[in-house]
Amino acid sequence: DAKTTQPPSMDCAEGRAANLPCNHSTISGNEYVYWYRQIHSQGPQYIIHGLKNNKTNEMASLIITEDRKSSTLILPHATLRDTAVYYCIVRPTSGTYKYIFGTGTRLKVLA
Amino acid sequence: KAGVTQTPRYLIKTRGQQVTLSCSPISGHRSVSWYQQTPGQGLQFLFEYFSETQRNKGNFPGRFSGRQFSNSRSEMNVSTLELGDSALYLCASSLTDIQETQYFGPGTRLLVL
Repeated sequence: DAKTTQPPSMDCAEGRAANLPCNHSTISGNEYVYWYRQIHSQGPQYIIHGLKNNKTNEMASLIITEDRKSSTLILPHATLRDTAVYYCIVRPTSGTYKYIFGTGTRLKVLA
Repeated sequence: KAGVTQTPRYLIKTRGQQVTLSCSPISGHRSVSWYQQTPGQGLQFLFEYFSETQRNKGNFPGRFSGRQFSNSRSEMNVSTLELGDSALYLCASSLTDIQETQYFGPGTRLLVL
């Protein structure tokens, strides 16, 4: 199963873009990259996912490098409510649903 | 559409007791997965179910078990509780048996005294 590496913590000023990196150098060709966030011990909230092309939705943008070894989640205008732990997950392709969570990045948005 | 619901939300038990946690998936979702979250180990996969069949199990002792019913609702059971079982137990559901996004419930916080 591909593993991910994320910085343990980051700060971002309110209103600025938050760029959260993730390294997944052992990713296989048909494995998706998923991003979730968890706000203060609530259940993880789905943000976005992608295979190789960049994706954007109402919450965030996902940029995946051409070699797929890393990705960046972008919150375009961070607010205080975006303070959370952000998890980057590579989804196994063995037909199992399980996510393998890393330690995530604790993002703190500062007023 | 209602999200994933878990009951109870909070639970206090003593060592040696057993506990059953319940999860109702999003309507129409047929797959349910369970995770345990502790400060020391983070989020760890427990097991997953699809159409009442356990498809995969994480590295947990046999005291942890689960099942899924025909209406896709799922329960997990922990017998002979230990202090280390204190955790947030999360349930997630997804649509079918192909790669689909999992949506998590709010969790059940279990405290073992």
